Amino acid sequence: AQSVTQPDIHITVSEGASLELRCNYSYGATPYLFWYVQSPGQGLQLLLKYFSGDTLVQGIKGFEAEFKRSQSSFNLRKPSVHWSDAAEYFCAVGALNQGGKLIFGQGTELSVKP
Amino acid sequence: DAMVIQNPRYQVTQFGKPVTLSCSQTLNHNVMYWYQQKSSQAPKLLFHYYDKDFNNEADTPDNFQSRRPNTSFCFLDIRSPGLGDAAMYLCATSKSGTQQETQYFGPGTRLLVL
Repeated sequence: AQSVTQPDIHITVSEGASLELRCNYSYGATPYLFWYVQSPGQGLQLLLKYFSGDTLVQGIKGFEAEFKRSQSSFNLRKPSVHWSDAAEYFCAVGALNQGGKLIFGQGTELSVKP
Repeated sequence: DAMVIQNPRYQVTQFGKPVTLSCSQTLNHNVMYWYQQKSSQAPKLLFHYYDKDFNNEADTPDNFQSRRPNTSFCFLDIRSPGLGDAAMYLCATSKSGTQQETQYFGPGTRLLVL
């Protein structure tokens, strides 16, 4: 079965520090992977996505993610976190032959300390 | 700007009283999705439309229905809301519903059931 796991429910980092959010997936074929961000009370916004090619993907707002097939991971990184990055982050996989359905991980809530 | 709009942003209803949530899009996308997101949980797909073709998720309760009268609009009807239906409801669109496509989300409607 296709699934996504985000092991960290909540992470706190200091402003200016680096960030890594973990995502592991279970999928039988080449996965189509996404990171979305959700600010409080808002909808989801795409940060970046991967489906082929270079395994290091650049996204908006200075985020990047690296696809590692051997580890079934797609971790999100940012070298220097800003207070405005505080939000909920969701990793998702595009389900096969299901009309574009996204299967989401449980999410990681990011808090940023001044 | 092309976008996904949801109305209302907040909806309060009474236990058992039918309620309709609205979504419109100016992206001219073929596919529209409805997700349910309960507090501190991942969004969960309820159903989607590809044009006029309705696709229900197997575990979506019968209490939830949807209508798509034209390309731009899609409605979520909850026939008899229960306390467990209190959640954020997210509408999303994609151009063709393929696995690798970005989904564009609206800001959501937060439903409270009294």
